[in-house]
Amino acid sequence: EVQLVESGGGLVQPGGSLRLSCAASGFTFSSYEMNWVRQAPGKGLEWVSYISSSGSTIYYADSVKGRFTISRDNAKNSLYLQMNSLRAEDTAVYYCARGRSTKRSLNWFDPWGQGTLVTVSS
Amino acid sequence: EIVLTQSPGTLSLSPGERATLSCRASQSVSSSYLAWYQQKPGQAPRLLIYGASSRATGIPDRFSGSGSGTDFTLTISRLEPEDFAVYYCQQYGSSPPITFGPGTKVDIK
Repeated sequence: EVQLVESGGGLVQPGGSLRLSCAASGFTFSSYEMNWVRQAPGKGLEWVSYISSSGSTIYYADSVKGRFTISRDNAKNSLYLQMNSLRAEDTAVYYCARGRSTKRSLNWFDPWGQGTLVTVSS
Repeated sequence: EIVLTQSPGTLSLSPGERATLSCRASQSVSSSYLAWYQQKPGQAPRLLIYGASSRATGIPDRFSGSGSGTDFTLTISRLEPEDFAVYYCQQYGSSPPITFGPGTKVDIK
């Protein structure tokens, strides 16, 4: 069974840092692109970041560029999101999602993890 | 950036009725790179449709997607009790950012 399990969320003060992890199982992790998508409480979905299967190509949403860093360890079947200079508006459930794509497209997402809540507040 | 607009914001229907959800893009979505997701309270989104009209694995055939260019539709032919949820469209063209629509809530009338 394909499974994605996020961890690392919690309460952090504005300006602080947090590192999220996503443990993948049930598929060949190193063959798939991966993404982070977030959802603020009661709000819609916002794509955060993309990383290619090898890690050589990375994209960020403008809202997190320069503050967040996506990475992966294919030997450990794990995806990460290092979040620095956190703001109140970063408060959200963060989902990792496996990317599916055609040769010329970015990703649609299948499946998604259960999410981890990040709360930025003093 | 491609902005997606979904309508209506809320759709109130009874089980057994047909649901028609709209997703409109601010510019043409290349090669119909559009997906639909279902999200129930407290759960992660679930992929329903990709490539505008291809059903994901395990999705019942009462769900269908159509459209191209800037106008896309998700149709649920006969609503089952488990279909009452929020539905999001997403475009995944050749360049970032990936964007989502604001969602349509389908609730019980």
